[in-house]
Amino acid sequence: KAGVTQTPRYLIKTRGQQVTLSCSPISGHRSVSWYQQTPGQGLQFLFEYFSETQRNKGNFPGRFSGRQFSNSRSEMNVSTLELGDSALYLCASSPDRVDRYEQYFGPGTRLTVT
Amino acid sequence: AQSVTQLDSHVSVSEGTPVLLRCNYSSSYSPSLFWYVQHPNKGLQLLLKYTSAATLVKGINGFEAEFKKSETSFHLTKPSAHMSDAAEYFCVVSDRLGSQGNLIFGKGTKLSVKP
Repeated sequence: KAGVTQTPRYLIKTRGQQVTLSCSPISGHRSVSWYQQTPGQGLQFLFEYFSETQRNKGNFPGRFSGRQFSNSRSEMNVSTLELGDSALYLCASSPDRVDRYEQYFGPGTRLTVT
Repeated sequence: AQSVTQLDSHVSVSEGTPVLLRCNYSSSYSPSLFWYVQHPNKGLQLLLKYTSAATLVKGINGFEAEFKKSETSFHLTKPSAHMSDAAEYFCVVSDRLGSQGNLIFGKGTKLSVKP
């Protein structure tokens, strides 16, 4: 099975712009989660989508949003970019079964805001 | 609320010697616990998971971890380190009863392996 794919892998944006990141989960996985990784804060949960609905949300401002499509692919959007949004954004998919809670991560999108 | 504490930010071992990466957790419920590894400029790879089946969990690449409820610990071990084990390791907890999509990560332990 193909793993989780994320596009683009690298992105450079300017403060005030917006950005959209894309994630394709492992085939058959319906849960998709997003995480932000920075040297200072480590790995932090952004949100999770399941069957096109946001099921859980982390403690991030409303500038961070996401959505999921009927084929389970997901996008996250960050509006009005700030320098502090520079980070590695990781997407993870999960089988979401009672006996399987593990998440499988993509390679990430490295976002640099200048 | 769930949390994890990785007791060492950096561990250095010689090739061929044992590895011990320490993790304590806090959870109101019966937790699911994981160890993930991240090699430089790569995504996270699942090493192993505990979901209340067996307390000694075997993972990939010779790693294993033991769930000790009385000590609220889930330490990661490997009998003999290899150069390719050099990476950052994350201990992770998930609340199975609630937010399955919300993994809570420790701060990470960077493992260095000397030849």
